[in-house]
Amino acid sequence: AQSVTQLDSHVSVSEGTPVLLRCNYSSSYSPSLFWYVQHPNKGLQLLLKYTSAATLVKGINGFEAEFKKSETSFHLTKPSAHMSDAAEYFCVVSDLNTGTASKLTFGTGTRLQVTL
Amino acid sequence: NAGVTQTPKFQVLKTGQSMTLQCAQDMNHEYMSWYRQDPGMGLRLIHYSVGAGITDQGEVPNGYNVSRSTTEDFPLRLLSAAPSQTSVYFCASIPKGSGGTDTQYFGPGTRLTVL
Repeated sequence: AQSVTQLDSHVSVSEGTPVLLRCNYSSSYSPSLFWYVQHPNKGLQLLLKYTSAATLVKGINGFEAEFKKSETSFHLTKPSAHMSDAAEYFCVVSDLNTGTASKLTFGTGTRLQVTL
Repeated sequence: NAGVTQTPKFQVLKTGQSMTLQCAQDMNHEYMSWYRQDPGMGLRLIHYSVGAGITDQGEVPNGYNVSRSTTEDFPLRLLSAAPSQTSVYFCASIPKGSGGTDTQYFGPGTRLTVL
């Protein structure tokens, strides 16, 4: 079975300061990992994904995440927050060996607040 | 391409009523899924389909039915709505042959309230 834990339900940062959103996963096999962003009253948009290639993954809007197998973590970072980054962020795991490609497991989400 | 479309955007039902949430994609994606989003719980998988004519249950299937008669459409049916089904519903699709490693494309969502 696979699972995802997002360690913070809410993170608040000042504009221009670094962002760290934490995610730990559990998977029986080689996982694919994703970060999605959801702006208020909108659908989900892919930020970045890890699929067993480079462990440091760069995404859109300056976000990146590092896959650390030894720590079972996939934390999302950005060097400098912008007001437009305020949104809810979801860490997602997909187990390559489930045989059911559509079954993703979502974390409960982290709401990022960016203040002036 | 329109991507993944969902209708309606908003719906209010009374307990016991039935309705169908529509989902369509024009990208020839093989896999399609339905999720519900509730506060503090992330997205939970209701039903999914790996191709036309093939569907299976997800994490929270009770009270919902699906069918996949074409590649493009994947409707979600509520047979007898209950207040516990008040939620935001998202449809998603994945390209053929991705094996779960590819991006899910999400629709804009349907906000359902059951009174």
